[in-house]
Amino acid sequence: KAGVTQTPRYLIKTRGQQVTLSCSPISGHRSVSWYQQTPGQGLQFLFEYFSETQRNKGNFPGRFSGRQFSNSRSEMNVSTLELGDSALYLCASSGYGTDTQYFGPGTRLTVL
Amino acid sequence: TQLLEQSPQFLSIQEGENLTVYCNSSSVFSSLQWYRQEPGEGPVLLVTVVTGGEVKKLKRLTFQFGDARKDSSLHITAAQPGDTGLYLCATPDSGAGSYQLTFGKGTKLSVIP
Repeated sequence: KAGVTQTPRYLIKTRGQQVTLSCSPISGHRSVSWYQQTPGQGLQFLFEYFSETQRNKGNFPGRFSGRQFSNSRSEMNVSTLELGDSALYLCASSGYGTDTQYFGPGTRLTVL
Repeated sequence: TQLLEQSPQFLSIQEGENLTVYCNSSSVFSSLQWYRQEPGEGPVLLVTVVTGGEVKKLKRLTFQFGDARKDSSLHITAAQPGDTGLYLCATPDSGAGSYQLTFGKGTKLSVIP
C-alpha cells in the first residue's frame, strides 16, 4: 500500500505571498490531519478533515485554511505569508476507528 | 490541551551505550504513542501504550507506561547509529470524534559510531 504523499517537498516564498500544499492519504483513509513543525514549538496541530468536513482546528490564525476533496486528498493554504510561517508542514492520515496516524514526509516551506 | 514534557532535549552518546528518554504530563494519558522522526521524513509510529504499568519491547527498544498513566519512558539498549533521530511522544485527543495528536517537543538523539 502506498504511503502518504505530499507535494511539493520544498517551497520558497516571500512575505505576503500565499501558498498551497497538497496531501494524498493512504488509500481508504478518510481522515487527514495537518501539523506544523518548527524547532521552537515542535509539532502543532493545524486541522483535521474527515469526509470533506473540518472536524477540528488548532490554535492558528485564519490565514491558515484547508479543504478535503471527495477522494480524500487534502490541501492546505496559507495566505499573506510571514517569516514565522517557515516550517515543515506534515500531513497524516488515519483509518476508521483508530488513533494511529501515518505521516507523510512533509513540505519544507521557507519564507524570505 | 494536555502538555507533554520530554527530557532530555538533546542526547549524544557512543555506539553501544544504553539510554533512557522520558515523557511526562501533569494529566492522565488516555494512551501514549512514541514516534521516531529521521531528518527529512515524517514521524513513524513505534508503539502505543494504553494500560498503566504496561511494558512493550521492540527489539532493543523497551517502552514503559507509568502505573498512574502520567509518564512514560523509552529505553534503548546498545544504541546503534541507525537509532539516530528525533523521538517524540504524543497523546491522542479523540474527543468529538476527531483525531488530534498533542506532541512533546522531542528528544534529539545522536549515536556516534
